[in-house]
Amino acid sequence: GENVEQHPSTLSVQEGDSAVIKCTYSDSASNYFPWYKQELGKRPQLIIDIRSNVGEKKDQRIAVTLNKTAKHFSLHITETQPEDSAVYFCAASIGGNSGGSNYKLTFGKGTLLTVNP
Amino acid sequence: EPEVTQTPSHQVTQMGQEVILRCVPISNHLYFYWYRQILGQKVEFLVSFYNNEISEKSEIFDDQFSVERPDGSNFTLKIRSTKLEDSAMYFCASRREQVNTEAFFGQGTRLTVV
Repeated sequence: GENVEQHPSTLSVQEGDSAVIKCTYSDSASNYFPWYKQELGKRPQLIIDIRSNVGEKKDQRIAVTLNKTAKHFSLHITETQPEDSAVYFCAASIGGNSGGSNYKLTFGKGTLLTVNP
Repeated sequence: EPEVTQTPSHQVTQMGQEVILRCVPISNHLYFYWYRQILGQKVEFLVSFYNNEISEKSEIFDDQFSVERPDGSNFTLKIRSTKLEDSAMYFCASRREQVNTEAFFGQGTRLTVV
């Protein structure tokens, strides 16, 4: 089955700096890669996702890049703010046209991002 | 904005007891999931449910686990005889379409088995 590795496990940056979190996946059939942010005691919330037919996607200060050949994808947060502090999870999912496909998410172990004011 | 809701937020149970975790997915969603997160570890897939049946389950989802959608709105996870190692945060999630779309997560139920 799919295996997702995520690095680093903890990341501390100064406010205004950039943060980069990297993930690798094992199953070349995976074609959907969401990133979730989880604040302490709260639910995981999607912040950005990318599908395998694109290499990069950007939404304001957040961007995700995907390298299908190398099977890795990264989250980039620019101009970090204290409210960006949270645990970030990458995930991979296999999607297709077969009926009843479940599109389960396989998660990385998470990165605790701390943005110091 | 519609949300996935879960009850209870925290459940403490004795080892060997049955527990039922409840979820109300977003109303027009068709695909439902349970995940769990042991403290400090990754979120792990348990089971997916579509068209009133299980579509996939993980190795974790053994005979002690079952899911049900009893009334068209609730989606429940039952653990028949809880073990200490079942202690975790359990998340319900739902998504609307078959093609890869966002999975919306509930706020979780923290299950503590003592």
